[in-house]
Amino acid sequence: EPEVTQTPSHQVTQMGQEVILRCVPISNHLYFYWYRQILGQKVEFLVSFYNNEISEKSEIFDDQFSVERPDGSNFTLKIRSTKLEDSAMYFCASSERGMGETQYFGPGTRLLVL
Amino acid sequence: GQNIDQPTEMTATEGAIVQINCTYQTSGFNGLFWYQQHAGEAPTFLSYNVLDGLEEKGRFSSFLSRSKGYSYLLLKELQMKDSASYLCAVRGYGGSQGNLIFGKGTKLSVKP
Repeated sequence: EPEVTQTPSHQVTQMGQEVILRCVPISNHLYFYWYRQILGQKVEFLVSFYNNEISEKSEIFDDQFSVERPDGSNFTLKIRSTKLEDSAMYFCASSERGMGETQYFGPGTRLLVL
Repeated sequence: GQNIDQPTEMTATEGAIVQINCTYQTSGFNGLFWYQQHAGEAPTFLSYNVLDGLEEKGRFSSFLSRSKGYSYLLLKELQMKDSASYLCAVRGYGGSQGNLIFGKGTKLSVKP
C-alpha cells in the first residue's frame, strides 16, 4: 500500500541553525501538508501546498518557515533559524484531492533543538 | 473560534465496547475525521463523516450530528492493540483544501 515517507526520522540541531525536513508524498496525490505536534500536545496545522504554491498557512508558519517541492517527488519544510520551541514531531501528509479527501500522514520527523 | 473537545483519557476492558465522544465549534465544517495514534507514531486514518449518521467500518463506527456539533467513535470487541490515542479532527473552510483542526486526543487504555 502506498505511504508517505519522511526523512530523517530524528534530527538534533543547535538553536539558530537551519534544518530541512523531507517528505515523499503518495505518488498520485496532489495536495501536501505539514503539521507539527509538540510533545504531549495536539497536532497543529502549519501549511498546505498545491500546484507549487502555498494554499493556506497557520499563524505558526511565520517567516522562519518555508516549503518547497524541488522535484516531482519531494516536499520539504525548511526552518531557517531554529528556536527551542520548534522542538516537536513534524508530520507530512498528502491527499489525492483537496476538500473531502482523507489526508494520509507520514511517520514524522522528531526535531530536537538544543 | 475553533474548539474541539474530547475526553483526555478513558479505560476499557478487552472484548468490551467503548464510545469516545467529540464536540466541536469551528468557523466552518467540511467533514470530521477520526485518527488513531500510537505513542510516538503518526496518526492513521480511521473514519470520515461529512453527513449526519453512522459510518461503520469493521470494529469501528463513527457517528456525526452536524446540528449538535457532535461525533463519537465506537470501538467494539476491544483488543489490547487498540490502546492508543484517538484524535478527532474537523476540516473547516480555508484555502482550497481545508486544513484539519485536531482535538487534543483521547488516550484509551485497554486492560485485560
